[in-house]
Amino acid sequence: DAKTTQPPSMDCAEGRAANLPCNHSTISGNEYVYWYRQIHSQGPQYIIHGLKNNETNEMASLIITEDRKSSTLILPHATLRDTAVYYCIVRVGGTGGFKTIFGAGTRLFVKA
Amino acid sequence: DTAVSQTPKYLVTQMGNDKSIKCEQNLGHDTMYWYKQDSKKFLKIMFSYNNKELIINETVPNRFSPKSPDKAHLNLHINSLELGDSAVYFCASSQARGIYNEQFFGPGTRLTVL
Repeated sequence: DAKTTQPPSMDCAEGRAANLPCNHSTISGNEYVYWYRQIHSQGPQYIIHGLKNNETNEMASLIITEDRKSSTLILPHATLRDTAVYYCIVRVGGTGGFKTIFGAGTRLFVKA
Repeated sequence: DTAVSQTPKYLVTQMGNDKSIKCEQNLGHDTMYWYKQDSKKFLKIMFSYNNKELIINETVPNRFSPKSPDKAHLNLHINSLELGDSAVYFCASSQARGIYNEQFFGPGTRLTVL
């Protein structure tokens, strides 16, 4: 599974868009980009995933660059409850867990 | 209804003891996992079972033995507990079919070995 790089922390004002970047320059053609988040003391929560097209669901949008070497998770209107650690992971689709560690992720602080 | 549940939520025990953590999912998923999150907050997979069959075992000491009595349950038994086993253990499940691997995580079990 490809390695990812994320900033350790970010701040965002409540109600504004939170843009969380992720670099995955060694991603392979069959690897997907997944985003999970972990709110304090809870289990990780799936947010979104994509291969090469941009994706949107009720939680967030995922923008993947054309060369697929980086992506951005967008929370369009951040709330205080979005304060969490956000993990960007790349791996092939299918069964099996994420064989690599989740990594340190980005700690997002949403402030009132 | 809780999708993935774990018991106990907290577990404090002495070195050398044997303990078990239980996990149940009511999502009808075929695949279940155990992850360990250490003090640095890194989350690492330990085991994965698909339809009660072990498919991933990530260099975990053999003191850790997963058991899957049916596809809705994946328990983790730990023998001869060591200080380094202190961590939060998360159970997760996913649907085997399809290429999308959305995993649903349980609330975690915080294990403290004294």
